[in-house]
Formats: sequence, structure tokens, C-alpha cells
Amino acid sequence: GQNIDQPTEMTATEGAIVQINCTYQTSGFNGLFWYQQHAGEAPTFLSYNVLDGLEEKGRFSSFLSRSKGYSYLLLKELQMKDSASYLCAVTSNAGKSTFGDGTTLTVKP
Amino acid sequence: ETGVTQSPTHLIKTRGQQVTLRCSSQSGHNTVSWYQQALGQGPQFIFQYYREEENGRGNFPPRFSGLQFPNYSSELNVNALELDDSALYLCASSSLQGASYGYTFGSGTRLTVV
Repeated sequence: GQNIDQPTEMTATEGAIVQINCTYQTSGFNGLFWYQQHAGEAPTFLSYNVLDGLEEKGRFSSFLSRSKGYSYLLLKELQMKDSASYLCAVTSNAGKSTFGDGTTLTVKP
Repeated sequence: ETGVTQSPTHLIKTRGQQVTLRCSSQSGHNTVSWYQQALGQGPQFIFQYYREEENGRGNFPPRFSGLQFPNYSSELNVNALELDDSALYLCASSSLQGASYGYTFGSGTRLTVV
């Protein structure tokens, strides 16, 4: 089975940088995804890591360490619209994703 | 390129009734996964369909069943509804060949069981 842990809530200031951590235990690993979910909406894809290291995409970066079962999502130059839930999801060899409960990020002025 | 479409968007059912939720997958995607998301929690995997066959199932009872059609659209059926079935049901389409692109989610069906 798979177990995924991420903080429940985080608060940051507009323009700042925030790091959302995710730890996982899995019996089969074929990649880790981060999704963004605004209240009342469906999750949308942010990033994918399958090899160790940092993947950068604009203001968002995601890091993976497979040996430590650890990932983080880094958000730079925070904007008010970044207030949302951020979901960490681990994908098994069979292509199925298991999600954490999400981290609710609140960006304050 | 069309996205993932789910219907209905909202539904209210009585305990013990049956419900069918529908999903049209994104063009080019051959895999459909269904998730249940309770308020304040992450999506929980129900099952996945690939080329009309069930391709894995989560910890949900047999009263949760599904179908995938030749055009890759899908249905989720829930029998003998219980109050705890109240949740957002998400359909996600994907392509096994393009696994690194992740899921494309529909907007979900909000089911309320009373």
C-alpha cells in the first residue's frame, strides 16, 4: 500500500516563497505528482518527478528524493491566486495515483 | 481538444437508492480513474478502467461498480446509497503512454445522500 503525509495548513505572505513538504511510503513507485485544487474545483496538474532532483516550471519547482521518500513543492513570488489546496500524489507501477489529504495554503497581503 | 466532462454536476439522493455518474474522457486518453473526495480530504481511489476492463480497485465495497465504453467514456454506479457516500466524485482521464502528464480531472459530481 501507499501512505502519504503532508502538512494540513500553511500561511504565507504575498511575494514570499513557501515550501510544501510531502513524505511517502510506497510498495511501487512510478512518479510523484503535485496538483493544485481551488475550493470547489477539480485538481489541476502542476508537476511530475520520477527521477531525483529539482524540476523547475516558472514560479513553481518540485523536488524528489526517492531514497528518502520525500518531495517538496516550492512556490516563489506568491500571489493571492495561489491560495488553494496542494495535493501530493504518488503513482504506482500500474499507473494509479494515491493522493495525500492536501495542504491548504493561504496567501495573505 | 476537449477536456473531461462529468454529469450531473450536483445530485441529491435518498439513502438506499442507486445512482449513476457519467464521464467523458479527454480526446486521446484511454484510461479513466474514479475518485471519491470527502470534504477536507484528498481524493480516494475507487477504480480504474483501461480499454473497457477494470485495471485496479481501491478499498471500496462491491456496491461501487463501473463501466468503460468503446469511446473510453465511463460510468460509476453506486447501489444502496449510504449517508457516508456523500462526497465529490471525480473522474480523471489519462494515457498510459503519456503517464508523465498526469491526470486530467473533470469538474466532479457533488453527491449528497439524505
